Amino acid sequence: QSVLTQPPSVSGAPGQRVTISCTGSSSNIGAGYDVHWYQQLPGIAPKLLIYGNSNRPSGVPDRFSGSKSGTSASLAITGLQAEDEADYYCQSYDSSLTGSVFGGGTKLTVL
Amino acid sequence: QVQLVQSGAEVKKPGASVKVSCTASGYTFTNYGIHWVRQAPGQRLEWMGWINAGNGNTKNSQKFQGRVTITRDTSTSTAYMEVSSLRSEDTAVYYCARDVGDIRWTPPYNSFDPWGRGTLVTVSS
Repeated sequence: QSVLTQPPSVSGAPGQRVTISCTGSSSNIGAGYDVHWYQQLPGIAPKLLIYGNSNRPSGVPDRFSGSKSGTSASLAITGLQAEDEADYYCQSYDSSLTGSVFGGGTKLTVL
Repeated sequence: QVQLVQSGAEVKKPGASVKVSCTASGYTFTNYGIHWVRQAPGQRLEWMGWINAGNGNTKNSQKFQGRVTITRDTSTSTAYMEVSSLRSEDTAVYYCARDVGDIRWTPPYNSFDPWGRGTLVTVSS
């Protein structure tokens, strides 16, 4: 059981918008720790997609955006493309566990 | 550019130990922390622990307390992660990743970037 809860899967047609939620608690997201998002293509190491809740590293398209509110965070992807098909993970810090934690991951399928 | 290069795949028997290396380049090694994350086949990412590459302080996930040892060699800009008493459930890809925050100023609550390519450790009799 992951400390951060994500839906196992989401899907959308090309060009559509999808969102992936990440629900935590008062010891991680709710405590004010930042949420970060990673994209993992099959067989490849994760790649940083969003850091500090809503910031994009250089090179990440602005189709990807992040937000945080209370004990939850969300990743939104607009203008879905076939190449977006991947697993997405949220990550934060947990003060009770005194370490980083990941969500269970969400598999995005582009229909 | 900032890069982390990991050692090659390993096959170990149950009860043995494995030591994975992660060699950094393109930045001042001692100014950043290195995290270790593993991913069992078809499973989620799992944070294992972290080392302050400057002073060598470490923090392990409670799950791996006593079985995982993280060290570093500043002369070669290399971090190591050793897992002892291996069991079949430890079969996974082990990743190292740099904490993006400068550890002289910030605690390790940050994102991880870049990541190494991963090291597959297979535990089988």
